[in-house]
Order: sequence, then C-alpha cells, then structure tokens
Amino acid sequence: AQKVTQAQTEISVVEKEDVTLDCVYETRDTTYYLFWYKQPPSGELVFLIRRNSFDEQNEISGRYSWNFQKSTSSFNFTITASQVVDSAVYFCALSDYKLSFGAGTTVTVRA
Amino acid sequence: DVKVTQSSRYLVKRTGEKVFLECVQDMDHENMFWYRQDPGLGLRLIYFSYDVKMKEKGDIPEGYSVSREKKERFSLILESASTNQTSMYLCASSPRTSGNTGELFFGEGSRLTVL
Repeated sequence: AQKVTQAQTEISVVEKEDVTLDCVYETRDTTYYLFWYKQPPSGELVFLIRRNSFDEQNEISGRYSWNFQKSTSSFNFTITASQVVDSAVYFCALSDYKLSFGAGTTVTVRA
Repeated sequence: DVKVTQSSRYLVKRTGEKVFLECVQDMDHENMFWYRQDPGLGLRLIYFSYDVKMKEKGDIPEGYSVSREKKERFSLILESASTNQTSMYLCASSPRTSGNTGELFFGEGSRLTVL
C-alpha cells in the first residue's frame, strides 16, 4: 500500500490564485516526520519543510503555509498568491523507519 | 555554496551497455542515496550508503549496483542497461546525525535513456 498519497497529479492556476496541494499518509508509528520538497524545472529537489508527528502546529513561511492534521493523516501545503516561479513538481514525503515519497503534484502557474 | 553534483545531466545508452552514474558531494556527509524518479511513481530508493565501502539495498535494487570508495563519491552502476531503466536518477546526501529525520540534499538529476 502506498504510504504517501498525493491525489492531485497536476494543478494549473493563474498567477495570484491560491493553490492547495493535498498529502495523505499512512503509518503505524507514533514517531515520524513529514516533509515537502519542491522540484523546479532545473531538476534539483529543494527541501521546504519538516514536521515531526508531535508538532501539529500549522506553519507559515511567506506565501507558503502547511496544515498538519493527525486526525486525518494529512499534511497539506498551500501557496498563497501564486507566482510563475512557483511552477514545479512538489513532493510530500514521510519518514518513519524509512523515507517514502509521494508521486508528486505538478503545479503550473500561468501569467 | 554546498552542492551535490551528478556527472551527467543527460545520457543515451544502448541495451546491454554498462552505465556509470557518478555523484559527488562537498558537504562531508556520511549518508548518500540513489533514487529513480518516474512519472506517477515519485521517487523510489535504489541503494544507499551510510559510510565508505558500505551499501544497503533500497526498495528497487534489482539491476543496479553501487560503489562508495570515498566519502564524497557514490556511484550507481547498471551492469547491463535495459529499456526499463530509462528514467531520471537522483543522488542525495545527508549528515549522519540526521538519520531518517533530516533533510536530504539533492543533485540536479541524470536523465538516462536506454535504446
């Protein structure tokens, strides 16, 4: 069974729209970590955020925000007022006894 | 500026050829990883290494081998390339202290096409 599910394969928005990327995970461990990575067209994955399973506080960093809900096993990512430079593939990942990535969501922001 | 460098961005090889993908990191990291990335499948771990001359199989090691003779270099080897190994290959590293809880530093990837 897939441990990290990113149900949205592709999302296309117009600049300045908000976009939310869904991530649902599955684990039996009580201690685990969740990550979001961004892969721009250049190819290099860039770390965005890490959350441990005991910290359910939402986080905001500039135009990025993350909503972690253990009750629904979700770790969703929102880009507010999207820009063309946000166009990328975004991966959610879960680390319990090993690191597992979701399939990724391709975000295209049109000018 | 810290970096993970992969020797080739694009390669085209023929079925049966031996292929070497090289990865070098300048961050003195103990942990190094090789992933392959395919549409709809995300990143899948092929092999990883926690130290020089040490290697561990990941989720999809079949058809691959690795070499870690120096701390900074981790090579992925396809002994006899096949068309189903056409993919994007990503190398990553992380410090020992991070275990499986820390961020990975990725290279830009090597896109391999096997004809």
